[in-house]
Amino acid sequence: GAVVSQHPSRVICKSGTSVKIECRSLDFQATTMFWYRQFPKKSLMLMATSNEGSKATYEQGVEKDKFLINHASLTLSTLTVTSAHPEDSSFYICSARKGTGALQQYFGPGTRLTVT
Amino acid sequence: DAKTTQPPSMDCAEGRAANLPCNHSTISGNEYVYWYRQIHSQGPQYIIHGLKNNETNEMASLIITEDRKSSTLILPHATLRDTAVYYCIVRLESGNTPLVFGKGTRLSVIA
Repeated sequence: GAVVSQHPSRVICKSGTSVKIECRSLDFQATTMFWYRQFPKKSLMLMATSNEGSKATYEQGVEKDKFLINHASLTLSTLTVTSAHPEDSSFYICSARKGTGALQQYFGPGTRLTVT
Repeated sequence: DAKTTQPPSMDCAEGRAANLPCNHSTISGNEYVYWYRQIHSQGPQYIIHGLKNNETNEMASLIITEDRKSSTLILPHATLRDTAVYYCIVRLESGNTPLVFGKGTRLSVIA
């Protein structure tokens, strides 16, 4: 099966700083990558969709200037949380897709962000 | 708008079958039913999917009613490691839309 990795798995940062999360498709080229956010005991909420080489499409209510997404290659997407605040503490999950089929969407293990 | 409805939580005794229901009364003819699960602090894991016929794989069985308005995921012999949130999702098999997750069912397998 296809493997998606995320780094770091956990990160703690101070309020006001920025933190970058990497998402890599290890054994396939991802035409599209997705970023989800999950608060405790809640479901996954789609934040944005990104295609390699183009600007990300953000879901309603997600601030594009706060959550910077870069998808510079077919195997790497990054999510940068800028000027993080405690309310940004969450579980961030990336997903990579190598085709258009629903089963072609693979999920990373997630990154736990804690902002103090 | 939610396209699926699932009970928020269920308990199951270890070794017994876990039957997780899902209502999808507005499903269209070419939409599939997908099941994923998420173990605590991990990414979602694909379980099974189907269109009309019942399906079985090494993880589970999927029973879809004849009118396709509901389905049941069956874990034949639940173990403690099956404790997770189970998501039922309906969508087209192909297309550009990402997987969208509802609230799911939190299954607790009890020893």
